[in-house]
Amino acid sequence: QSALTQPASVSGSPGQSITISCTGTSSDVGGYNYVSWYQQHPGKAPKLMIYDVSNRPSGVSNRFSGSKSGNTASLTISGLQAEDEADYYCSSYTSSSTLNWVFGGGTKLTVL
Amino acid sequence: EVQLVESGGGLVQPGGSLRLSCAASGFTFSSYWMSWVRQAPGKGLEWVANIKQDGSEKYYVDSVKGRFTISRDNAKNSLYLQMNSLRAEDTAVYYCARIAVAATEIDYWGQGTLVTVSS
Repeated sequence: QSALTQPASVSGSPGQSITISCTGTSSDVGGYNYVSWYQQHPGKAPKLMIYDVSNRPSGVSNRFSGSKSGNTASLTISGLQAEDEADYYCSSYTSSSTLNWVFGGGTKLTVL
Repeated sequence: EVQLVESGGGLVQPGGSLRLSCAASGFTFSSYWMSWVRQAPGKGLEWVANIKQDGSEKYYVDSVKGRFTISRDNAKNSLYLQMNSLRAEDTAVYYCARIAVAATEIDYWGQGTLVTVSS
């Protein structure tokens, strides 16, 4: 069960926009519209930010958006704020495993 | 308010056993798939096991198959993870998590319980 591929780190200044990529295969990201994104602050539990590629749960800022093209999903954060500094993980449904879900390796977002 | 509260973590020697529990409240527990997800120190998230609403289907990551058992008691609104033959690489924070109704993502997480496997 291979993890999805994310960049180890990204950074941006307050007010800017950043994008985090999540690359998989046709057995996971490319084959299903079931990509989700989680935010995790140090020492805290993850929090759902995006589900089904581009849907935001109630209460999540509209500065967070998701998209997908082929085998790569993306999370975009616009109008960066200091509180956005955290680790971000993507996850996808997969047909390659009986467990049916796989996470990305995580991306550390630094707000400069 | 949905709440998931894990317990049972601690220090255990290699080869030992531990049973994690998760007390759920604020929702109809018996209506949801549930999961255990772990995170080794300084590492990423790893899906460990899933269980269907009635417990009839269970799935595990390859690295824990035959050693870990996920179970649930819907009458007690509780989720469990029995961990046997523990290894150093099982050291992690273990999160109890609820899978959303559409079963396409985790929508709620507990705060986690730390399991340390060391002699």
